[in-house]
Amino acid sequence: AQKITQTQPGMFVQEKEAVTLDCTYDTSDQSYGLFWYKQPSSGEMIFLIYQGSYDEQNATEGRYSLNFQKARKSANLVISASQLGDSAMYFCAMRVYTGFQKLVFGTGTRLLVSP
Amino acid sequence: GAGVSQTPSNKVTEKGKYVELRCDPISGHTALYWYRQSLGQGPEFLIYFQGTGAADDSGLPNDRFFAVRPEGSVSTLKIQRTERGDSAVYLCASSLGSAGGRQETQYFGPGTRLLVL
Repeated sequence: AQKITQTQPGMFVQEKEAVTLDCTYDTSDQSYGLFWYKQPSSGEMIFLIYQGSYDEQNATEGRYSLNFQKARKSANLVISASQLGDSAMYFCAMRVYTGFQKLVFGTGTRLLVSP
Repeated sequence: GAGVSQTPSNKVTEKGKYVELRCDPISGHTALYWYRQSLGQGPEFLIYFQGTGAADDSGLPNDRFFAVRPEGSVSTLKIQRTERGDSAVYLCASSLGSAGGRQETQYFGPGTRLLVL
């Protein structure tokens, strides 16, 4: 079975600083994808970044980067230069490629960016 | 282009009633997914469609839940004899494909907030 663990229920960061949101995963599959989504108070899940298990380089998308450490089974999200609009819930998710199409999500981390 | 849309955005019903939730995926996306999100939790998978067929319905909690996608585009999630425990946000997502890699990134709609009284 696949499992995602997010151990930080809440995180605080000051505007313009960087913040790291932790995510560890558990799977016996060798081929999988890791995703981060942002969920503002409006409720919509917004895709941020993707990392494939065979990608050798860490994924980056603008101010978002994914610190992928395969041996440790971690996929931490790094947000650089935080903005007030980054305040939201952040979910880490995983999909394995052995016939299961579903995403498995963690419980999320609530990020609050202060001025 | 337009994203995933879901209607209604909110639904209040009474215990025992029947409800239908609609999802309109991104144009050209062949894969469609339904998830349910309870308060304080991450989304949980319900069902996955590839085209018109339900390829995986292992997440449906019981036989009161059913979903269709008759023409391979719009999908409807149907809940019979609703119970208070069905109250949650129902999220729909679609992806370009499902073979793996970046193309199978799932894009979500705004959700339907269902409240069963």
